[in-house]
Amino acid sequence: AQSVSQHNHHVILSEAASLELGCNYSYGGTVNLFWYVQYPGQHLQLLLKYFSGDPLVKGIKGFEAEFIKSKFSFNLRKPSVQWSDTAEYFCAVRRIINNDMRFGAGTRLTVKP
Amino acid sequence: GAGVSQSPRYKVAKRGQDVALRCDPISGHVSLFWYQQALGQGPEFLTYFQNEAQLDKSGLPSDRFFAERPEGSVSTLKIQRTQQEDSAVYLCASSLVGGGTEAFFGQGTRLTVV
Repeated sequence: AQSVSQHNHHVILSEAASLELGCNYSYGGTVNLFWYVQYPGQHLQLLLKYFSGDPLVKGIKGFEAEFIKSKFSFNLRKPSVQWSDTAEYFCAVRRIINNDMRFGAGTRLTVKP
Repeated sequence: GAGVSQSPRYKVAKRGQDVALRCDPISGHVSLFWYQQALGQGPEFLTYFQNEAQLDKSGLPSDRFFAERPEGSVSTLKIQRTQQEDSAVYLCASSLVGGGTEAFFGQGTRLTVV
């Protein structure tokens, strides 16, 4: 079945550690790719997005992601996490052909101070 | 409005009761999505509208779930004869149509079926 896969369910890091969260999708065709973040008690907010062009995209709060088309991947990275990055992170894929958008199961990030 | 607005924020329903959840999208947004988010899970796609047309309802879990957007703006998700497994947060998102557009989410409606 076509899907969006996030490899890590829960990641625990200490402050200043580097972060990489994996995301793979199985849809063919042209897609837009997103990472959303959900802080405790808040709604989903866009972290960054890829539409076209440079496969390395930069988002808010020092996050970046790299689209590797051959691997159907869109991994999220941050060189040095902060306690305030504690949140749930969701990868999403939007298929251009029918405009629908599907999400991965999410990765819970806990950053220890 | 400035953002996507959902109401009510919280709803407690007795098993077997019908509920209606409302979504006010951002003005001018053609696309509207409904998702169901269970505790500790990602948003699961329910249905998608483009204007008033429901283009995809493949994610609706049963015929007890029904969504409409009659005038291409406000949308209502209705759940008939609620069951305990319907307890979840129901998220609405809206966007402009086409590639290069992002979806904006509301705060969600937390439904608890007792």
